[in-house]
Amino acid sequence: EAGVVQSPRYKIIEKKQPVAFWCNPISGHNTLYWYRQNLGQGPELLIRYENEEAVDDSQLPKDRFSAERLKGVDSTLKIQPAELGDSAVYLCASSLLKTGVAFFGQGTRLTVV
Amino acid sequence: DQQVKQNSPSLSVQEGRISILNCDYTNSMFDYFLWYKKYPAEGPTFLISISSIKDKNEDGRFTVFLNKSAKHLSLHIVPSQPGDSAVYFCAASAQGGSEKLVFGKGTKLTVNP
Repeated sequence: EAGVVQSPRYKIIEKKQPVAFWCNPISGHNTLYWYRQNLGQGPELLIRYENEEAVDDSQLPKDRFSAERLKGVDSTLKIQPAELGDSAVYLCASSLLKTGVAFFGQGTRLTVV
Repeated sequence: DQQVKQNSPSLSVQEGRISILNCDYTNSMFDYFLWYKKYPAEGPTFLISISSIKDKNEDGRFTVFLNKSAKHLSLHIVPSQPGDSAVYFCAASAQGGSEKLVFGKGTKLTVNP
């Protein structure tokens, strides 16, 4: 069974440019998460979806970040415009509803220069 | 405010000995706890979990202990192997695991041959 797939693996952009990350969760998993991991820190939740609904986006910087999960399957996270402080690893994870165990993709390492 | 704390940034152990990784939490609403292992350039991999109704859970060489009164959990790896060298993250969730995972900063374990 395929795991959580993320693309791209690496991205380098100049500040003020837009960037988008894509995630395809494990088949059948109705909960999808976007986490951000800064160097030396643990992952921090940006947004959590249950099917198509964003049930927790309290930590998403809504002035520049947006996310969507059309049809309750794959998801896209966008940053526009990117800032230097956005450099981090962006992790997507999925789980069965209310089971607690999230399975992570390999992440996208974003570098903003 | 760090709700999940891993106070040891690193730990070094000899192959064959026991590795003990510690984690403290402050939020009394947390009732589901997980350990993840992370290799460089990969996403976190689920290792083992424990519900607050238990005080111990075992899976092969890995055992997690939970002390609710002290708000403390630990991961024991016996015997430790060089392949166990990775960063270990403690995570916690409320509502039986249906809420978001809150991560600690991680402990880098090195198992020396």
